[in-house]
Amino acid sequence: EDQVTQSPEALRLQEGESSSLNCSYTVSGLRGLFWYRQDPGKGPEFLFTLYSAGEEKEKERLKATLTKKESFLHITAPKPEDSATYLCAVQVPNDYKLSFGAGTTVTVRA
Amino acid sequence: DGGITQSPKYLFRKEGQNVTLSCEQNLNHDAMYWYRQDPGQGLRLIYYSQIVNDFQKGDIAEGYSVSREKKESFPLTVTSAQKNPTAFYLCASRDRGWTEAFFGQGTRLTVV
Repeated sequence: EDQVTQSPEALRLQEGESSSLNCSYTVSGLRGLFWYRQDPGKGPEFLFTLYSAGEEKEKERLKATLTKKESFLHITAPKPEDSATYLCAVQVPNDYKLSFGAGTTVTVRA
Repeated sequence: DGGITQSPKYLFRKEGQNVTLSCEQNLNHDAMYWYRQDPGQGLRLIYYSQIVNDFQKGDIAEGYSVSREKKESFPLTVTSAQKNPTAFYLCASRDRGWTEAFFGQGTRLTVV
């Protein structure tokens, strides 16, 4: 069975303290890996798509990377507005099924 | 504006009643999805549809039903057979099976 595991479950950071979130997967033949940000009571907001090992994407203070077994979301010099739950999802070939991990809740203190 | 609209935002249901959640998209996307989210947890897939008049069960389909009669609409019915329906329900759509999915703002269902 395909599995998506995110760690840690929660992360408390001081403003400016860089850190990384992990998304590991056991899907057979990854077709794409997606990162989302979710604020409380809202729908997830798309951040990045990664398709192949070695690929990297950046947006402001966020950078996503992908290996054959896992993806990292690096948060550089975070600000309080980066506080949210970050979700990753994986896509397998020949199927439209999109499976999510449980998420990492990031809290950035000023 | 293009997007995904879920309605209502809040819904209260009595035990034993069926209730239907609405999801409409004007993005001309082929695929649509329904997810359930419980407090402090990730998204669990209920049903998904790749094309009109076709849909597949996700990981937690028991107690739910869907239809896909039109490309832009994918309503979800929570039946009385769903033992613990109180949750946050999210609808999503995507253009192809490998592109990013876009989400609605969710419906919070509470059984009273």
